[in-house]
Amino acid sequence: GQNIDQPTEMTATEGAIVQINCTYQTSGFNGLFWYQQHAGEAPTFLSYNVLDGLEEKGRFSSFLSRSKGYSYLLLKELQMKDSASYLCAVRDYSGGYQKVTFGTGTKLQVIP
Amino acid sequence: DTAVSQTPKYLVTQMGNDKSIKCEQNLGHDTMYWYKQDSKKFLKIMFSYNNKELIINETVPNRFSPKSPDKAHLNLHINSLELGDSAVYFCASSQDLRQPGYGYTFGSGTRLTVV
Repeated sequence: GQNIDQPTEMTATEGAIVQINCTYQTSGFNGLFWYQQHAGEAPTFLSYNVLDGLEEKGRFSSFLSRSKGYSYLLLKELQMKDSASYLCAVRDYSGGYQKVTFGTGTKLQVIP
Repeated sequence: DTAVSQTPKYLVTQMGNDKSIKCEQNLGHDTMYWYKQDSKKFLKIMFSYNNKELIINETVPNRFSPKSPDKAHLNLHINSLELGDSAVYFCASSQDLRQPGYGYTFGSGTRLTVV
């Protein structure tokens, strides 16, 4: 099984930087995803990490430490449209097949 | 072109009814999923099919029955609907799970309300 923890809510100011943390416990780890979900919409894929280190994609970066069971999503130059829930999801081997389990999400509010 | 489309978008029905939600993907993906997102926004996997074969079947009441006529379609049938079934149901697809780095593509969701 998996245990994925991330803060429930965060607030940050437009133009600032925010870091959303995710910790997990799992066996057979095979990758970590970050998804963005605006209210009333479907989740959309943001990033994927399977090796330790930082993956950068424009204003968004994601970091992974496998030994610590830890990841973060870094959002720079925050915009109002970044207000959304951010879901950490872990893929592992479970019962002979790969499965992706989502955390409960962090609701980010960007304020002017 | 809609990559993952599911219908209907909204579904309001009475307790005890039977309903179906349909999902189709035109991405050529091998694997499709049904997820349930409850009022607390927790996204929980229900089923997964890989090339029409059921590979994930989480602890879900057997009132829920998925059907995959081909790898581009995965439908969800729910019998004897209960109030607790009210949620948003998301269909998703992904490339072969053995290929790293592929995220899921989600459909727009079906908001089911049981009254």
